[in-house]
Amino acid sequence: DQQVKQNSPSLSVQEGRISILNCDYTNSMFDYFLWYKKYPAEGPTFLISISSIKDKNEDGRFTVFLNKSAKHLSLHIVPSQPGDSAVYFCAASGGGNAGNMLTFGGGTRLMVKP
Amino acid sequence: DSGVTQTPKHLITATGQRVTLRCSPRSGDLSVYWYQQSLDQGLQFLIQYYNGEERAKGNILERFSAQQFPDLHSELNLSSLELGDSALYFCASSANVGLASETQYFGPGTRLLVL
Repeated sequence: DQQVKQNSPSLSVQEGRISILNCDYTNSMFDYFLWYKKYPAEGPTFLISISSIKDKNEDGRFTVFLNKSAKHLSLHIVPSQPGDSAVYFCAASGGGNAGNMLTFGGGTRLMVKP
Repeated sequence: DSGVTQTPKHLITATGQRVTLRCSPRSGDLSVYWYQQSLDQGLQFLIQYYNGEERAKGNILERFSAQQFPDLHSELNLSSLELGDSALYFCASSANVGLASETQYFGPGTRLLVL
């Protein structure tokens, strides 16, 4: 049972345009959401997070939107740069689980073309 | 660089063997987490330790065990290895008790290949 899903395995955008990565979740008890970026042969790198009490969080070129009623979050990257090409994972914590375990989506590979 | 270190980077071993993966958290972080990334299962939580005590358990096999030492480094022990245990093993750390709003910072991972 996948509690966090990223339905698009890949996304290709032109440099300078907006990249929108989507994530859906099923556990309504999740209360903290994070996006990580992963390059090959490296560990996931934290990008941005959002608490369930907010609907938007912005950090430079990265903005995360949370729609709790739809159990959906999205990551917007504007403008996209070739260096943004990586696999992006959304993750959620809370959910009634002990500790702070993260439940990850399957990832979306973003390719930004020059 | 996240500040989380993991050794070794690569490990090749045979079925039935036992290996130990090591993780040093970021300076000051008390919680350590282990995750497994396999091709068919994605990134999955295995276990969390906080200040030396087990805090939460996920999809960790009985053949696997972990501990966190007084200096806060952690080791993940994998025994009776099977081909299906081949995966990337990531360690992450966070500052405190593991509140849901804490960010976890990941190490570079250990790639395990079981032949």
